[in-house]
Amino acid sequence: GAGVSQSPSNKVTEKGKDVELRCDPISGHTALYWYRQSLGQGLEFLIYFQGNSAPDKSGLPSDRFSAERTGGSVSTLTIQRTQQEDSAVYLCASSPREGYGNEQFFGPGTRLTVL
Amino acid sequence: GNSVTQMEGPVTLSEEAFLTINCTYTATGYPSLFWYVQYPGEGLQLLLKATKADDKGSNKGFEATYRKETTSFHLEKGSVQVSDSAVYFCALAPNNYGQNFVFGPGTRLSVLP
Repeated sequence: GAGVSQSPSNKVTEKGKDVELRCDPISGHTALYWYRQSLGQGLEFLIYFQGNSAPDKSGLPSDRFSAERTGGSVSTLTIQRTQQEDSAVYLCASSPREGYGNEQFFGPGTRLTVL
Repeated sequence: GNSVTQMEGPVTLSEEAFLTINCTYTATGYPSLFWYVQYPGEGLQLLLKATKADDKGSNKGFEATYRKETTSFHLEKGSVQVSDSAVYFCALAPNNYGQNFVFGPGTRLSVLP
């Protein structure tokens, strides 16, 4: 079966532009996570979705960041008015069900470069 | 809240040396524990896991035992190879609904020939 997919794989944008990053989780997985990984750094939690519950947005670094998950499947992470410090790899992961000891399955990531 | 602590890197070893990367956790209840690995230029992938106390996860010569009494999940390998050079992340998944998955900061391992 297909794993987690993300698009685009690379995105170069100019400072001040808006970008949208897409994540397709594994079919049937109800939990979806977004992380950010700056060069040589660990994982920075951004947001997670679990089924129809309100998402946990506690990791979003500013109000320029937002995310949606439509129909309990595909998710889009939007960064408005991008800044150079937003440059990083954005990782998406899905899990069969949050909170029950299940592992996360990661996508390949989207490398964002803000010039 | 739940948390994971890992030994700070980078860790540099010679080929065939013994590896230990320490991981300890704080959690309510009985979480599942994981080690993820990220090879250079690649995404994260699961290396091994353990879902209850005293379980031993193993894969590719790596092992880790879930020790509830010491709240630890140390990663070990008897003889490392250059190809093991990567960043290793310890993580926990709570078994209580409403709590988030937690990753440690990662430990970079470099194995020299």
